[in-house]
Amino acid sequence: NAGVMQNPRHLVRRRGQEARLRCSPMKGHSHVYWYRQLPEEGLKFMVYLQKENIIDESGMPKERFSAEFPKEGPSILRIQQVVRGDSAAYFCASSPADRGALNTEAFFGQGTRLTVV
Amino acid sequence: AQSVTQLGSHVSVSEGALVLLRCNYSSSVPPYLFWYVQYPNQGLQLLLKYTSAATLVKGINGFEAEFKKSETSFHLTKPSAHMSDAAEYFCAVNQAGTALIFGKGTTLSVSS
Repeated sequence: NAGVMQNPRHLVRRRGQEARLRCSPMKGHSHVYWYRQLPEEGLKFMVYLQKENIIDESGMPKERFSAEFPKEGPSILRIQQVVRGDSAAYFCASSPADRGALNTEAFFGQGTRLTVV
Repeated sequence: AQSVTQLGSHVSVSEGALVLLRCNYSSSVPPYLFWYVQYPNQGLQLLLKYTSAATLVKGINGFEAEFKKSETSFHLTKPSAHMSDAAEYFCAVNQAGTALIFGKGTTLSVSS
């Protein structure tokens, strides 16, 4: 059973370009979470999705950022018109469909390191 | 809202010494708590989790954590540090209906 797969591992974009980060959850997982990690700041929650639904996007910047988790295919985090401040590591995590128990942990991918030049 | 505070952004120990990484939580309801480890340029790996079955939780790589409700703490310990333990450690709390909330992390350095 493959783990959470993120690609690309490293992404370089010029200011003003778009960045698309992909995340394929573990098999059988239908909950996906995106986090952003900046140095000295830990992991900041961005968005929580289930298939075709955004459950909680309270951590998403109001502009330029969007996320989706379609019925088929990976979850996508899209950043439009990137700026230098968007440079960070972006992590995706997934958890099983039955998340009724709050002691269910999330499984993390290896992250996408975005560099805006 | 639930939150976690990790005291000390950097901890340095000698090989063979006790490791103690501190985590305090705030929660109005019984929390579900986790410790994750992150090695350089890697994702996060679960070390252990508190499931309310026992207050002393044993995890991988010889780590354990004790849930103390009276102190609202969930400190991570290991009796004897190994060089391979050098990494960043994150405490997290589960918030009902949404995602894990993480502390800012503690970087553990181990010297020979």
